Amino acid sequence: NAGVMQNPRHLVRRRGQEARLRCSPMKGHSHVYWYRQLPEEGLKFMVYLQKENIIDESGMPKERFSAEFPKEGPSILRIQQVVRGDSAAYFCASSITIEGQPRDPMNTEAFFGQGTRLTVV
Amino acid sequence: AQSVTQLGSHVSVSEGALVLLRCNYSSSVPPYLFWYVQYPNQGLQLLLKYTSAATLVKGINGFEAEFKKSETSFHLTKPSAHMSDAAEYFCAVSDSTGNQFYFGTGTSLTVIP
Repeated sequence: NAGVMQNPRHLVRRRGQEARLRCSPMKGHSHVYWYRQLPEEGLKFMVYLQKENIIDESGMPKERFSAEFPKEGPSILRIQQVVRGDSAAYFCASSITIEGQPRDPMNTEAFFGQGTRLTVV
Repeated sequence: AQSVTQLGSHVSVSEGALVLLRCNYSSSVPPYLFWYVQYPNQGLQLLLKYTSAATLVKGINGFEAEFKKSETSFHLTKPSAHMSDAAEYFCAVSDSTGNQFYFGTGTSLTVIP
């Protein structure tokens, strides 16, 4: 069972370009989380999605950032018109969750990908 | 609302010494608690988790953590530090529905030979 796959691992974009980060969750996982990690700031929640739905986007910047998790294919985090401050590591995680019901204690954790390191030059 | 606070963004210990990384949580519902480790340029790997069973939880690589409801704490310990333990450690909390994971700001562990 492959783990959470993120690509690319490293992405360099010039200011004003678009960045697309992809995340394929673990097999059988229908919930995806995106986090941003800046040096000395830990992990900041961005968005929580399930297939075709955004559950919680309270951590997403209001402009330029969007996320989707289509019925088929990976979850995509899209950053338009990137600026230097967008440079960070972006992590995706997935979990097995049945919304509104207590989780099986054996399947409670989020599994993380290796991250995409975005550098804006 | 849920949150975690990790006291000490940097901890240094000598090889063979006790490792203690602190985590306090805030939760209005019974929490699930996690410790993750991140090695340089890697993703996060689960060390251990508390899901309302035993309050003393044992994880990988000799780490363990104790859930103390009265202190709202979930500190991570290891009796004897190894050089390979040098990494970033994150504490996280979620509720039983798993609709959200809240992470602390992390603690960077340095092991001195």
